[in-house]
Amino acid sequence: EAGVAQSPRYKIIEKRQSVAFWCNPISGHATLYWYQQILGQGPKLLIQFQNNGVVDDSQLPKDRFSAERLKGVDSTLKIQPAKLEDSAVYLCASSRAGGREEKLFFGSGTQLSVL
Amino acid sequence: GESVGLHLPTLSVQEGDNSIINCAYSNSASDYFIWYKQESGKGPQFIIDIRSNMDKRQGQRVTVLLNKTVKHLSLQIAATQPGDSAVYFCAENRDAGGTSYGKLTFGQGTILTVHP
Repeated sequence: EAGVAQSPRYKIIEKRQSVAFWCNPISGHATLYWYQQILGQGPKLLIQFQNNGVVDDSQLPKDRFSAERLKGVDSTLKIQPAKLEDSAVYLCASSRAGGREEKLFFGSGTQLSVL
Repeated sequence: GESVGLHLPTLSVQEGDNSIINCAYSNSASDYFIWYKQESGKGPQFIIDIRSNMDKRQGQRVTVLLNKTVKHLSLQIAATQPGDSAVYFCAENRDAGGTSYGKLTFGQGTILTVHP
């Protein structure tokens, strides 16, 4: 079974620029998550999709972050404009149906450096 | 605010020793916990989980203990190997506003280093 795919692997931008990350979940997984992991901390949920609908985006900084999951498969996360504090690893995860006791499968993440 | 956290940020052990990683949680309503392992450059990987109606659960070389009285859980790794070197996170999965969906909240993490 192929895992969660993310690209790019690394990205370096200057503050105020925009950036986009891409995620392809495990085939058949209805639930997709974007997490932000700042160095030295645990991942923090940004947004959760169930198919192509948003279940939870309460911790997404909506003034600069946006995410979409068209057709309920791939997803993109965008930051515009980026700030220095956005430097982090952005992890995508998926699960079969999003139930409370389902395993989440994580991708390797995109490491973003904002200079 | 409610959170899940760890007592020790780093742990160094010798190969073959047993490792114990601790985690404290503050939400007394939490009823499901998971341990994840994160190797350098990779995403977190599921290790073992436990429901709040259990005190102990065993896997292959790993055991999770849950003490609801003091809101504490631990991960025990038997015969620790160099390949176990990673950051270990406890996470709490709680009901997201009355829906059936989970909301995973991670603690800070413990760095485990295993010396040959």
